[in-house]
Amino acid sequence: AAGVIQSPRHLIKEKRETATLKCYPIPRHDTVYWYQQGPGQDPQFLISFYEKMQSDKGSIPDRFSAQQFSDYHSELNMSSLELGDSALYFCASRNVLDRHNTLTEAFFGQGTRLTVV
Amino acid sequence: AQKVTQAQTEISVVEKEDVTLDCVYETRDTTYYLFWYKQPPSGELVFLIRRNSFDEQNEISGRYSWNFQKSTSSFNFTITASQVVDSAVYFCALSEGGGATNKLIFGTGTLLAVQP
Repeated sequence: AAGVIQSPRHLIKEKRETATLKCYPIPRHDTVYWYQQGPGQDPQFLISFYEKMQSDKGSIPDRFSAQQFSDYHSELNMSSLELGDSALYFCASRNVLDRHNTLTEAFFGQGTRLTVV
Repeated sequence: AQKVTQAQTEISVVEKEDVTLDCVYETRDTTYYLFWYKQPPSGELVFLIRRNSFDEQNEISGRYSWNFQKSTSSFNFTITASQVVDSAVYFCALSEGGGATNKLIFGTGTLLAVQP
């Protein structure tokens, strides 16, 4: 079965550079989430999109922006990178409601490991 | 506000021992969903189970079992006859039901080390 695809898997950037992370959700999933997981930390919610519209926003820095495109893939753009941005960035997707009208599980990609040097 | 607490930071057991990972949650919603995810050393987040607030039935899947108790706001996870491959960080997570606010809120995770 198709899974959530994230690219690149690893990325090394210097301070003050920009980075773009890409996410291809599972086909026909209507919701995409971005999470940031620092070393030894739990994943922290950044932002989500439902049917290509931003649906919720978490602790996403102003230096970061994200969007979801017409083909449902999503990109997280990060500018003026700081050392503290080094983390594992996850994208997840789900169909919010299943046929029983209950919330489904979110499936996560393998993550992009960003290292800022 | 919603919150998930995993009080056990690290647990170390010897293979074949049973181990229970605790999860306590807080939410004001009457409709909510609880999840467990496994994060092995390779880093990916693997979905294990979903439970909604209206279904307190316990579940068993092979060596895994889950005990959901609304009265104590707990959703504990037990691994029976643990194996080295169970070594991972386990996250409990909560989503409040409906609307745009269905993001997952994670606990801080429990690192399980199973020694041979």
